[in-house]
Amino acid sequence: DAGVIQSPRHEVTEMGQEVTLRCKPISGHNSLFWYRQTMMRGLELLIYFNNNVPIDDSGMPEDRFSAKMPNASFSTLKIQPSEPRDSAVYFCASSDRDYKNIQYFGAGTRLSVL
Amino acid sequence: RKEVEQDPGPFNVPEGATVAFNCTYSNSASQSFFWYRQDCRKEPKLLMSVYSSGNEDGRFTAQLNRASQYISLLIRDSKLSDSATYLCVVSLHNNDMRFGAGTRLTVKP
Repeated sequence: DAGVIQSPRHEVTEMGQEVTLRCKPISGHNSLFWYRQTMMRGLELLIYFNNNVPIDDSGMPEDRFSAKMPNASFSTLKIQPSEPRDSAVYFCASSDRDYKNIQYFGAGTRLSVL
Repeated sequence: RKEVEQDPGPFNVPEGATVAFNCTYSNSASQSFFWYRQDCRKEPKLLMSVYSSGNEDGRFTAQLNRASQYISLLIRDSKLSDSATYLCVVSLHNNDMRFGAGTRLTVKP
């Protein structure tokens, strides 16, 4: 299996622009998670989906952030408009219904908002 | 108080040394416990689960003390390749995982 695939790996954008991060979970996994990692705050859960349905989005910082999972093999995290404080590494992870607590992470998207 | 607290380190040890990391968690209802490893500029990867009776995987030993809400990871005979950040992870229930900020380990020749 190719593992969790995220794109792009790096994104540099200007403040105010829309940013879309993409994730393909491991085939057969039914839970998908979006995390953000910064030096100051560590790894924070933003939102997670179970069977394509958003279950907990309490970690989403504000209305500028939105996430979708239109099908079992694809999810997006969108930031509009982006701000410099959104600069971070964004990870997507997925887990299997029988082993929910073992999450497999993608390589991450390193976002820089100038 | 943070939900999961770890000593950030860094721990700098020579090859062959034994090193131990500690982690405390605040929610006594936590049910599952893990150690993840994160290499520089890479994603976190599961190192091992932590069971109530303690468990060992090669040079790595994990312990859980529910009464003290404390988790530990012991690495024996450390290798250069063990250099990484070790994340303590605590789960209240399925899909609700809380990560510690990590402890950085550097093993030197």
